[in-house]
Amino acid sequence: EAGVAQSPRYKIIEKRQSVAFWCNPISGHATLYWYQQILGQGPKLLIQFQNNGVVDDSQLPKDRFSAERLKGVDSTLKIQPAKLEDSAVYLCASSFGPADRETQYFGPGTRLLVL
Amino acid sequence: DAKTTQPNSMESNEEEPVHLPCNHSTISGTDYIHWYRQLPSQGPEYVIHGLTSNVNNRMASLAIAEDRKSSTLILHRATLRDAAVYYCSLNTGFQKLVFGTGTRLLVSP
Repeated sequence: EAGVAQSPRYKIIEKRQSVAFWCNPISGHATLYWYQQILGQGPKLLIQFQNNGVVDDSQLPKDRFSAERLKGVDSTLKIQPAKLEDSAVYLCASSFGPADRETQYFGPGTRLLVL
Repeated sequence: DAKTTQPNSMESNEEEPVHLPCNHSTISGTDYIHWYRQLPSQGPEYVIHGLTSNVNNRMASLAIAEDRKSSTLILHRATLRDAAVYYCSLNTGFQKLVFGTGTRLLVSP
């Protein structure tokens, strides 16, 4: 079974530029998550999708971050404009459903450096 | 958000058991306890989860205190490949995982 795919793996941009990350979840997984992981910290949930609808985006900085999941499969996360403090690893995860006992499967992440 | 507290780091020798503690004193009755681990340059990997009873799987065991305010992840025989950051997290409903800062496990040969 193929895992969660993310691209690119690394990205370096200058502040005020825009950047986009792509995620392809495990086939059949209805729930998709984007996390931000700052160096030395645990992952922090940014947004959660159930199929193509948003379940939770309470920690997404909506003035600069946006995400979409068209057709309930792939997803993109965009930052525009980027700030220095956005330097982090952006992790995508998926799970079969939203139940409390479901396992989340994580991709390898995209490491973003904002200069 | 529900909070977990873990030691920053722990050390073990290869083939010895490892007990990784986690405090979650603000846990509510319906919160599941999940453990994930993260190897360098990889995304987190599921280890084990539980609600009230102790749990075992091929990777580890999870011991949950009777009052559910703490839990312990047990690796029965540590290997060098178990060196990672271990996160204790609470599933606070509708699959929202809240991660702490994790414990970095160092395994010596």
